[in-house]
Amino acid sequence: DTGVSQDPRHKITKRGQNVTFRCDPISEHNRLYWYRQTLGQGPEFLTYFQNEAQLEKSRLLSDRFSAERPKGSFSTLEIQRTEQGDSAMYLCASSFLATGELFFGEGSRLTVL
Amino acid sequence: ILNVEQSPQSLHVQEGDSTNFTCSFPSSNFYALHWYRWETAKSPEALFVMTLNGDEKKKGRISATLNTKEGYSYLYIKGSQPEDSATYLCAFDYGQNFVFGPGTRLSVLP
Repeated sequence: DTGVSQDPRHKITKRGQNVTFRCDPISEHNRLYWYRQTLGQGPEFLTYFQNEAQLEKSRLLSDRFSAERPKGSFSTLEIQRTEQGDSAMYLCASSFLATGELFFGEGSRLTVL
Repeated sequence: ILNVEQSPQSLHVQEGDSTNFTCSFPSSNFYALHWYRWETAKSPEALFVMTLNGDEKKKGRISATLNTKEGYSYLYIKGSQPEDSATYLCAFDYGQNFVFGPGTRLSVLP
C-alpha cells in the first residue's frame, strides 16, 4: 500500500500526558499537512511542511503542539500536557504540488480522559 | 479569516433521488476549489479539483460546477445510491493553504 499512513489509529491518554502521532506520506509528495477534526466540523488546519521546512503554523495552535518533518519524509505531531479539549481526529495529508489534491491518511483519533 | 460555508449541514434522501449541495467561499485570492468525499472509518478522498470559472467536472453520477466570481460551487449526485452515503467536504485553496468547509452529511436510504 503506497498511500498515506498514520500511527497510531487510536490513542487514549490521561490529561497531562504527552502524545505523539506519526504520518508517513506518499513518498514523492513534497507537501505534508496536519489537520484536526472534531465532531460536526470540517478539518481545521494545524500546520504544513514543504519538504523539511515548516512553512505555516495555525495561530490557533498552542505552544503545547509541535510538529517536525526531518529529512522531508515522515512527520510527527507531538502534543504536550494534553487537555480534554485536545480530543479530536488528527488527519495527515500529502500532496505533490502546492495546489494539488490532498491524499489523506485514515487519521489518529485522540481521546483525553 | 477565510470562511468556507456548506449547505445543507445534513441531508437524507431516498435511493434513486438526485441531490445537490452548495459550497460558498471567498471570491478573492482564488486558486482552486476541491471536493472530497469522506466515508465513515475511511480517509477523505478527492472527487474534483476545479480551477477555472465556469468549470464543470463529472465523475460517473457525480458532477460539480464552479463560479469563482460569486464564490460558490455546486456538487450534484444523480440517482443517489446507498454507497454515496458520506460527508462531502469542499476546500478553498488560496495558493498557500486550504480552508475546509464543515461538510454536508448525506444519508441515502435504500
